Amino acid sequence: QVQLQESGPGLVKPSETLSLTCTVSGGSISSHYWSWIRQPPGKGLEWIGYIYSSGSTIYNPSLKSRVTISVDTSRNQFSLTLSSVTAADTAVYYCARGDGYQKYWGQGTLVTVSS
Amino acid sequence: EIVLTQSPGTLSLSPGERATLSCRASQSVSNSYLAWYRQKPGQAPRLLIYGASSRATGIPDRFSGSGSGTDFTLTISRLEPEDFAVYYCHQYGSLPRAFGGGTKVEIK
Repeated sequence: QVQLQESGPGLVKPSETLSLTCTVSGGSISSHYWSWIRQPPGKGLEWIGYIYSSGSTIYNPSLKSRVTISVDTSRNQFSLTLSSVTAADTAVYYCARGDGYQKYWGQGTLVTVSS
Repeated sequence: EIVLTQSPGTLSLSPGERATLSCRASQSVSNSYLAWYRQKPGQAPRLLIYGASSRATGIPDRFSGSGSGTDFTLTISRLEPEDFAVYYCHQYGSLPRAFGGGTKVEIK
């Protein structure tokens, strides 16, 4: 059974960079697409982008100038960085498998942007 | 960019009743690449339906999806206690991917 686990700081200061890692277990990260999705408190889901195991990426145009998704196949991990964060970036961040529908999700991690 | 509009915003029903949730797209969803998720408080979304009408592994047959083009429906034939949650539609036929705003199914 594929499992995903997000990790990273729960608090980030405004204007700084948010960095999260997703560790995949129970299966190889190779030959699959991997996504990041976020959900502000009490609100709906927002697609951030995805990466193929080879490293090719697609991002949401609304975040493209600030987002980088990368993959480390040797560690079975992929990562998200979001620069110049503001309070509007406060959300639960989920990692998931797939570039289309997502069957496997991490439990999510809350990142709060505050000084 | 496709925008998904879900209705109603909230559905108040009793256990055992039938629920009908709507998802309307601003443009045609390519190949009916439309998924539905259920999200309980404090949990990640769970995939219910993909390809507009295919049930995901382990999803009971009280859940069914239908539709094509711009109009899609999720039907829950008989609500169980665990079905009172928020439901999201998601189009993955074109970029950028998009989610609907959600429909909350609450106990009447």
